Amino acid sequence: GQQVMQIPQYQHVQEGEDFTTYCNSSTTLSNIQWYKQRPGGHPVFLIQLVKSGEVKKQKRLTFQFGEAKKNSSLHITATQTTDVGTYFCAGPDYGGATNKLIFGTGTLLAVQP
Amino acid sequence: DAGVIQSPRHEVTEMGQEVTLRCKPISGHDYLFWYRQTMMRGLELLIYFNNNVPIDDSGMPEDRFSAKMPNASFSTLKIQPSEPRDSAVYFCASSWRGGLDEQFFGPGTRLTVL
Repeated sequence: GQQVMQIPQYQHVQEGEDFTTYCNSSTTLSNIQWYKQRPGGHPVFLIQLVKSGEVKKQKRLTFQFGEAKKNSSLHITATQTTDVGTYFCAGPDYGGATNKLIFGTGTLLAVQP
Repeated sequence: DAGVIQSPRHEVTEMGQEVTLRCKPISGHDYLFWYRQTMMRGLELLIYFNNNVPIDDSGMPEDRFSAKMPNASFSTLKIQPSEPRDSAVYFCASSWRGGLDEQFFGPGTRLTVL
């Protein structure tokens, strides 16, 4: 079945360092979404990318959708302690319908002050 | 809107007991999703509804799990009988257009089965 993998599973950085997580799908995606889950919290939507090669920025966060629409990345510049959490990518399931999301395995980011 | 509402927030029960989790989606959303999150298996989709109709329950672990959506503003996930391996955080989420739209998650129910 369709799989969405993320690397790394875990990353520990010093505050101020940059961070990148990568997302790879086994199938082409019509769109990719990114979510953030703070420790003890619930996933919260960050952004959706739709176009091949699309790049979007939200302050220190840069999101990119690959040309083949099978991979994506999230880059955080100059991490802060508020960036701590697990970052998930998610894409629509093409196994039967596009109405459910397949979530990636997630990357847990720890930021040391 | 208050967002997606789930109750209870925490549930501790003993093996063999029936557990019912409740969810109120955001008004106007046509899709409702139930997820389970554990350290070992990550975030898993259990079942989703479109306009109150169950569409895909392929993620439901076994017959002990059942879900209903009697109307557009209420859904339940029931586990009967519960087992320790059911311990997890259960999230409900809703959206306008399923996989094409952002999903709004509720705060989750942390279930512990002793």
